[in-house]
Amino acid sequence: EIVLTQSPGTLSLSPGERATLSCRASQSVSYSYLAWYQQKPGQAPRLLIYGASSRATGIPDRFSGSGSGTDFTLTISRLEPEDFAVYYCQQYGSSPPLTFGGGTKVEIK
Amino acid sequence: QVQLVESGGGVVQPGGSLSLSCAASRFTFSNYGMHWVRQAPGKGLEWVAFIRYDGNNKFYVDSVKGRFTISRDNSKNTMYLQMNSLRPEDTAVYYCAKTSGEWFAPFDFWGQGTLVIVSS
Repeated sequence: EIVLTQSPGTLSLSPGERATLSCRASQSVSYSYLAWYQQKPGQAPRLLIYGASSRATGIPDRFSGSGSGTDFTLTISRLEPEDFAVYYCQQYGSSPPLTFGGGTKVEIK
Repeated sequence: QVQLVESGGGVVQPGGSLSLSCAASRFTFSNYGMHWVRQAPGKGLEWVAFIRYDGNNKFYVDSVKGRFTISRDNSKNTMYLQMNSLRPEDTAVYYCAKTSGEWFAPFDFWGQGTLVIVSS
């Protein structure tokens, strides 16, 4: 099983600032099959990034993903008020189980 | 826009059973693998089960193997999760999610979830 560790647990930033979220895997993620999801309170998760760096349909270009192997990053270039949420990474490149990271909460400073 | 609507959640006693449904619309359901994912109150996401587009391959997280059964009826555009021998630790919001392909694919659409509470 691939364990995903996200850091930091909470990120306190102001609108307009840059957010950098980390996701580290316990072993290499095949084909960079790593996704990022955003979840707001009371809502279902929403796909932001897949394949480590490809934006999903309709996702603004202030969201970008990078990385390969065991280290991945989600960057939000300039935080908008609607970006304050919890972000999860997920790997889908291995045999079962699929795994998620524990999440990073981006909160308003 | 893809629509996924879960139903069947509720309160059940430990050891009891519950059946969840996920009604899909606005896409060709029979072409895509589907997942169940759960989220305990205040916790993160946990993958539960997967079913291939034709129902012929199924995978489960270890903690539900032998207790939960995933299935689908492509003629009804519906996926199911039969949950038996429920435990308090199964308490969670259960989401159904569509893949953009099959197993090696991200979850491109999610339902709004249905809450399952296992408590005496």
